[in-house]
Amino acid sequence: EVQLVESGGGLVQPGGSLRLSCAVSGFTFSDHHMDWVRQAPGKGLEWIARSRNKTKTYTTEYAASVKGRFTISRDDSKNSLYLQMNNLKTEDTAVYYCCRSPAGTSPCDYWGQGALVIVSS
Amino acid sequence: DIQMTQSPSSLSASVGDRVTITCRASQGISNSLAWFQQKPGKAPKSLITAASSLQTGVPSKFSGSGSGTEFTLTISSLQPEDFATYYCQQYKSYPFTFGGGTKVEIK
Repeated sequence: EVQLVESGGGLVQPGGSLRLSCAVSGFTFSDHHMDWVRQAPGKGLEWIARSRNKTKTYTTEYAASVKGRFTISRDDSKNSLYLQMNNLKTEDTAVYYCCRSPAGTSPCDYWGQGALVIVSS
Repeated sequence: DIQMTQSPSSLSASVGDRVTITCRASQGISNSLAWFQQKPGKAPKSLITAASSLQTGVPSKFSGSGSGTEFTLTISSLQPEDFATYYCQQYKSYPFTFGGGTKVEIK
């Protein structure tokens, strides 16, 4: 069974940092590209980052809203995806989902349950 | 960036109704279009990729069509479990972008 479990969410002050983790199981993590998608309270979905697999040399893509502040990374030996979030702003408050791309440039097929990040003083 | 516009933003329908949601792209995306269903407090669920290919396990009452800039998601006979918010997403180019969502409510 494919499972993705996010952790690391919480309350942080503006300008602060937080690192989200996504532990996966049930599939060969190293074969897949992985994304982070977020959803602000009461709002729609926003794609924010992709980590490509080893075959694609772990290259990354970012949305403009987070580029330069957030870093997506992965550890294939630990079956884990990460999102390092720096210089957080109040508008980064959201539920953050990690999700799996089945192949190539495909969109996500399996999603985690989400981790809530609140940026507030 | 490619902008995705969904319409309507919300709709009220009855059990058994046929429902159609439209998604328009600001430029051509071929068939690089996915549809997701999201229920309150839950993660999105993938319904359709490549504009019209149903994901494994998704019932055939859901169908997708379109290519280029205009796409539709149709639910042939709405059931209680289908009341949710539906999102389209383009994956033709980065950044991948979602439509604003369509909330399907009970009439």
